[in-house]
Amino acid sequence: KAGVTQTPRYLIKTRGQQVTLSCSPISGHRSVSWYQQTPGQGLQFLFEYFSETQRNKGNFPGRFSGRQFSNSRSEMNVSTLELGDSALYLCASSRDISTEAFFGQGTRLTVV
Amino acid sequence: EDQVTQSPEALRLQEGESSSLNCSYTVSGLRGLFWYRQDPGKGPEFLFTLYSAGEEKEKERLKATLTKKESFLHITAPKPEDSATYLCAVRSGGSNYKLTFGKGTLLTVNP
Repeated sequence: KAGVTQTPRYLIKTRGQQVTLSCSPISGHRSVSWYQQTPGQGLQFLFEYFSETQRNKGNFPGRFSGRQFSNSRSEMNVSTLELGDSALYLCASSRDISTEAFFGQGTRLTVV
Repeated sequence: EDQVTQSPEALRLQEGESSSLNCSYTVSGLRGLFWYRQDPGKGPEFLFTLYSAGEEKEKERLKATLTKKESFLHITAPKPEDSATYLCAVRSGGSNYKLTFGKGTLLTVNP
């Protein structure tokens, strides 16, 4: 079966711009979570959605936001981009809130 | 707050040299411990789920074990293609089932 699909794979944006990343979960999975990965900080949790409701939120500023649609697809948005937002953004889906999560290939965001 | 500590940060082995990676955790009500493998520039690949102390899972050259405070990933007779970063993560009821990751162990297997 198809895995988690993230689009786009690569993005280059300028400081101050905003960006929207997309994630299509595995069919039948209702939970989607987002992570930021940088070499120094490892995988940092952004937020998690289940059945269109945000269940958990990490310690990121309000510039980072997300949503989940009725078909479980999810988007995350980053406004007013800063250089420090350059990272690999990973989406993961799981069947429910307690099972293993499966990751997409990520979106590599570079802010210049 | 849940905490996951992995050691060592980096490990270099010769092909065929068996070893173990450690994942220590502090959680309120463990609801699952997960191991992943990550290759550079790619998303983590799921390996194992462990739910209770004493549980073991095996896949090819990898074997994961779980106690009440830590998990080990044993690598038997590794090959160069086993080189990757291995990540450990936990879900706990105390954190509303949020998945918390350790920083990983970078494994390099030399031929």
